[in-house]
Amino acid sequence: QVQLVESGGGVVQPGRSLRLSCAASGFTFSSYGMHWVRQAPGKGLEWVAVIWYDGSNQYYADSVKGRFTISRDNSNTLYLQMNSLRAEDTAVYYCARSVGGRIRGPEDFGDSLDYWGQGTLVTVSS
Amino acid sequence: DIQMTQSPSSLSASVGDRVTITCRASQSISSYLNWYQQKPGKAPKLLIYAASSLQSGIPSRFSGSGSGTDFTLTISSLQPEDFATYYCQQSSSNPRTFGQGTKVEIK
Repeated sequence: QVQLVESGGGVVQPGRSLRLSCAASGFTFSSYGMHWVRQAPGKGLEWVAVIWYDGSNQYYADSVKGRFTISRDNSNTLYLQMNSLRAEDTAVYYCARSVGGRIRGPEDFGDSLDYWGQGTLVTVSS
Repeated sequence: DIQMTQSPSSLSASVGDRVTITCRASQSISSYLNWYQQKPGKAPKLLIYAASSLQSGIPSRFSGSGSGTDFTLTISSLQPEDFATYYCQQSSSNPRTFGQGTKVEIK
């Protein structure tokens, strides 16, 4: 069965860095795009980033562009490197599998997020 | 960026009621619209993809419709396990965006 397990969350001071991991199992990881989505306490869902199945393209929300980096490796693991963290980055971070999407040139579209991890909490506070 | 606006933000309904949630995109997104359900402390769950396709394992009382800029999620007969928050999400372009959510509460 498909499993996504996030780790790496915790309490970090503003301006510092943190790397989240998402261990995938139960499917051919290299065939699927992957997303990060976050949710601040008591707030709605906010999309963070996507990486294509082969790692060739990544896209980011404006709120994290230039500070966060999404990546993946052959050990079936997705990462989110978070630098220059701010208080407003405090949230539960979910990884999710992308399914059903298409690629046309530099753009991907039409996917949905069919499996999600349980989330890992990142708290940015001094 | 494409803005997604849901209405209402919350609603109260009784078991057995028909419930309708709307989602409007700031520009046309064709049928690239997904619906998710989230219960407190849990990860979101995919209900509807491509505006009207029911995800495997989801009860048939859930349905979706719409295209272009206006979309609807309908629960035909609300069940106790359906009290949750519902989000729409566009997958037409990056950055992907979610609606602000609709909380369905017990009347």
